[in-house]
Amino acid sequence: DAGVTQSPTHLIKTRGQQVTLRCSPKSGHDTVSWYQQALGQGPQFIFQYYEEEERQRGNFPDRFSGHQFPNYSSELNVNALLLGDSALYLCASSPRIGFTEAFFGQGTRLTVV
Amino acid sequence: KQEVTQIPAALSVPEGENLVLNCSFTDSAIYNLQWFRQDPGKGLTSLLLIQSSQREQTSGRLNASLDKSSGRSTLYIAASQPGDSATYLCAGSPWGSSASKIIFGSGTRLSIRP
Repeated sequence: DAGVTQSPTHLIKTRGQQVTLRCSPKSGHDTVSWYQQALGQGPQFIFQYYEEEERQRGNFPDRFSGHQFPNYSSELNVNALLLGDSALYLCASSPRIGFTEAFFGQGTRLTVV
Repeated sequence: KQEVTQIPAALSVPEGENLVLNCSFTDSAIYNLQWFRQDPGKGLTSLLLIQSSQREQTSGRLNASLDKSSGRSTLYIAASQPGDSATYLCAGSPWGSSASKIIFGSGTRLSIRP
């Protein structure tokens, strides 16, 4: 079992550009959540997907959007990048039902210059 | 709104000491409490999961406890080693959400001196 995998591992973008990050959940998991972690802070919840729809959303602007595919993998899109979007982006997966733990990927380090 | 607070923000101790990391949350309406480890620039590694009906979990030199009535959790690390140096994050899953929606504290940065 490969666990949760994210790609790419590192990314450098210019202010104003758009970026897409990808996540494959752990085998057997149908729910994916995305987090933004700024330096020295705990991860902040962006949104959660299951059954190919956004189900919950944290306090992030509409520039942050996502998608979930039939195979449960997910994408995070960020438009009109700002310098403040530079962070580690983490993906977590879990089964939708059941009080189990969440598993995290190794993250994508996004740098906006 | 659920908030998670971790104290202290940073801790440096000599190797071999036993230590306690603290976590408090404002709303007892959580069903999971997880402790994670994060090495610099890396993702999160789950250390211990305490489910709502449980009071503590143990794994090797680690022991985590949960007191929902007081809104507190502690992570106890026995016989600390330099390899334990990392940031430790406490996180709770609110009722009504699936397990991958988690509210995190800002972490305790632990340094173990050889």
